Amino acid sequence: QKEVEQNSGPLSVPEGAIASLNCTYSDRGSQSFFWYRQYSGKSPELIMFIYSNGDKEDGRFTAQLNKASQYVSLLIRDSQPSDSATYLCAVRISSGSARQLTFGSGTQLTVLP
Amino acid sequence: DGGITQSPKYLFRKEGQNVTLSCEQNLNHDAMYWYRQDPGQGLRLIYYSQIVNDFQKGDIAEGYSVSREKKESFPLTVTSAQKNPTAFYLCASSIGAGKEAFFGQGTRLTVV
Repeated sequence: QKEVEQNSGPLSVPEGAIASLNCTYSDRGSQSFFWYRQYSGKSPELIMFIYSNGDKEDGRFTAQLNKASQYVSLLIRDSQPSDSATYLCAVRISSGSARQLTFGSGTQLTVLP
Repeated sequence: DGGITQSPKYLFRKEGQNVTLSCEQNLNHDAMYWYRQDPGQGLRLIYYSQIVNDFQKGDIAEGYSVSREKKESFPLTVTSAQKNPTAFYLCASSIGAGKEAFFGQGTRLTVV
């Protein structure tokens, strides 16, 4: 089982809709969770981080964390064509002596005009 | 402006050569990381360093080496022992373990 899993997509939504991106993780002791956006050929850009159960909102983005279900999601409201990118979920795993940042393989999102 | 600078942006290497990728940060971050990304895939950790003069292997360290002599710098050497080095290499830093990481613009390495 992969430590961090995401649906690879592609996920297509119409402009103005809500895009829902999901991520599950295997390490129950994980404490920190991050969402990155990566445009083609570019480096990842941090969008959100969340440490506690529940929702965290920042503009059009909402991160949701459910540690009991080992599930973290990212909602993008009022999706725009400029949101078309690959979204990477990252989890700070707690196993071992160092808390490494482990990435999922990413979900490709396309917002259709 | 504070940030992470990787150089060069593009690098071409002949088989059997070692090459060194530069990563410099002026964010005063303690932790630095090197990741490799292959087309259509996520990021895989090569090496990381939480303090100066200390670093640890990540998931795919074979064929790579690093040093951390200064807080600001974390260069990565891709040695001839790395069998498939063509990839996008990303350097990142964070203020400490457990905190969000920020990335440089990446170096695209191609073996010719």
